[in-house]
Amino acid sequence: DTGVSQDPRHKITKRGQNVTFRCDPISEHNRLYWYRQTLGQGPEFLTYFQNEAQLEKSRLLSDRFSAERPKGSFSTLEIQRTEQGDSAMYLCASSSLAVNGELFFGEGSRLTVL
Amino acid sequence: QQQVKQSPQSLIVQKGGISIINCAYENTAFDYFPWYQQFPGKGPALLIAIRPDVSEKKEGRFTISFNKSAKQFSLHIMDSQPGDSATYFCAASRGTSGTYKYIFGTGTRLKVLA
Repeated sequence: DTGVSQDPRHKITKRGQNVTFRCDPISEHNRLYWYRQTLGQGPEFLTYFQNEAQLEKSRLLSDRFSAERPKGSFSTLEIQRTEQGDSAMYLCASSSLAVNGELFFGEGSRLTVL
Repeated sequence: QQQVKQSPQSLIVQKGGISIINCAYENTAFDYFPWYQQFPGKGPALLIAIRPDVSEKKEGRFTISFNKSAKQFSLHIMDSQPGDSATYFCAASRGTSGTYKYIFGTGTRLKVLA
């Protein structure tokens, strides 16, 4: 068990470009969450999956954002036509019923949109 | 009703002192209250958590005090050490079918002076 892994750790892109982040959860965890954290703020919920099903999306997740979790394993978060306001740390977390309530976070993917 | 208010925003404590961080919530449906610790460049990591059926939980130097009627909870760090210097986030969530969507506070940056 190596914990939640996120890739890339840092991404710098120009406004209007598309970016994709990947998250590999702890292997036996069936729930996977995406959060966004801006500087000086707490993480904000974006969306979560139970297995491969995306069960809830925050209103923060505009149409330019899409998340997938094929086969209930890793997940990807894609941002299309990036804007400067998308600059943030994107955190992935996973959880299981066995450890009820605890979310295990990855180290995040920091996005900078120029 | 979804907000979690955290104070203070920053805190400076002498080594060996007690650090106290407070949070207040509005939604009485919340049933899980974790505290997360975050070091720069890292993802949040669970420190300690409490459920509303108890008023206090202690783990080592860390204690959560919970006041259900006031809808407040606090983190006490006893014998604070320079290694405790980090940002601390309180959170609240309602577990629905084993899924916990956290609402985080805005964070407290703690600095422990040697």
